Amino acid sequence: AQSVTQLDSHVSVSEGTPVLLRCNYSSSYSPSLFWYVQHPNKGLQLLLKYTSAATLVKGINGFEAEFKKSETSFHLTKPSAHMSDAAEYFCVVSSNAGGTSYGKLTFGQGTILTVHP
Amino acid sequence: DTGVSQDPRHKITKRGQNVTFRCDPISEHNRLYWYRQTLGQGPEFLTYFQNEAQLEKSRLLSDRFSAERPKGSFSTLEIQRTEQGDSAMYLCASSFGPDQPQHFGDGTRLSIL
Repeated sequence: AQSVTQLDSHVSVSEGTPVLLRCNYSSSYSPSLFWYVQHPNKGLQLLLKYTSAATLVKGINGFEAEFKKSETSFHLTKPSAHMSDAAEYFCVVSSNAGGTSYGKLTFGQGTILTVHP
Repeated sequence: DTGVSQDPRHKITKRGQNVTFRCDPISEHNRLYWYRQTLGQGPEFLTYFQNEAQLEKSRLLSDRFSAERPKGSFSTLEIQRTEQGDSAMYLCASSFGPDQPQHFGDGTRLSIL
């Protein structure tokens, strides 16, 4: 079984300040982890993906995430927030268990990021 | 790469009616997934296909829900006898394989009157 917990439902930052969106995961197998972003009334866009090649993963738009197995965490960061970063962010784990569940995504509840001028 | 396309973008229907949504995946992707997203929640997995084979459908919400991918290309999701609780965003995604990132369409928003 696998699950994802996003520790903050809302995060508010000022433009130009750092962003930290927190995510803890639970998985019986070595997980594949993702962060997706969703703008209002739109589908989900992949920000970055972790698949065990490197613990620090760089994504699009200046975002990055660090996989910490000892803490079962996969937090998303960005050094300097931009107004266009305002959206909802989802931490996602993919089942690597094999069988018919292989590749199925389990989403966290989402974190809404607000960026103030 | 034209992206995943979903049609319609919005559907408003009366309770008890049947609705069908279409998803056109990225052309070379053999995997196609359906998810449901309700307000304030993350997407919830419903079912998926590898080519034309539906490999898991146990998460379809009831027997009123069914999905097809007859030729391994586009897929349809049908909801029969719609209920108020079916109001949600229905998302389709496709991927090149089980360990490849899923690319999402913009979704179909269903509203039940």
